[in-house]
Amino acid sequence: AQSVAQPEDQVNVAEGNPLTVKCTYSVSGNPYLFWYVQYPNRGLQFLLKYITGDNLVKGSYGFEAEFNKSQTSFHLKKPSALVSDSALYFCAVREDSNYQLIWGAGTKLIIKP
Amino acid sequence: GAGVSQSPRYKVAKRGQDVALRCDPISGHVSLFWYQQALGQGPEFLTYFQNEAQLDKSGLPSDRFFAERPEGSVSTLKIQRTQQEDSAVYLCASSLYQGPGREQYFGPGTRLTVT
Repeated sequence: AQSVAQPEDQVNVAEGNPLTVKCTYSVSGNPYLFWYVQYPNRGLQFLLKYITGDNLVKGSYGFEAEFNKSQTSFHLKKPSALVSDSALYFCAVREDSNYQLIWGAGTKLIIKP
Repeated sequence: GAGVSQSPRYKVAKRGQDVALRCDPISGHVSLFWYQQALGQGPEFLTYFQNEAQLDKSGLPSDRFFAERPEGSVSTLKIQRTQQEDSAVYLCASSLYQGPGREQYFGPGTRLTVT
């Protein structure tokens, strides 16, 4: 069965520092991995995805994520955090044989000035 | 262009009432998904439509939940005889095509509170 784990409920980072939000997954087939961000009272917004190819994928707002097959991880990163990056971040995975997108519980990212 | 819209944004229902939640996907999007998001949790898959066909309804929690998309565009999620455990945010998402690598575009959600 598919599953996603986001081991940190909350991540605190000072503005200007690099940030990492962790995600590990479990699937039986090829994984399709996604990161979404949720701002208060707004819908989920797509950030980036991994389908195949280069393990480092770049997305919106300067975010990137690294796919690591051996560690079954897809950590979200940004070289220099902004206060406006403060939000709830969700990792999700889907198998090619399944319509369902399986979500992690979310990580609250707090960027302090 | 217009994104995914949902109505109402907020709904308060008394236990036992029926509710209907509407989703207008992005025009031309083939795939439509419904999710349930409890407070402090990630979304949970409910059901999937490809055009008007409901291809997966395995996530619907009980037979009180029913979804339709009769003309392949607007979708309605209906909950009969609401219970307190149905209180959650219901999210609708659409994507241009079917395919596991396609990103989904989400509406703002409908927050349902059952009293």
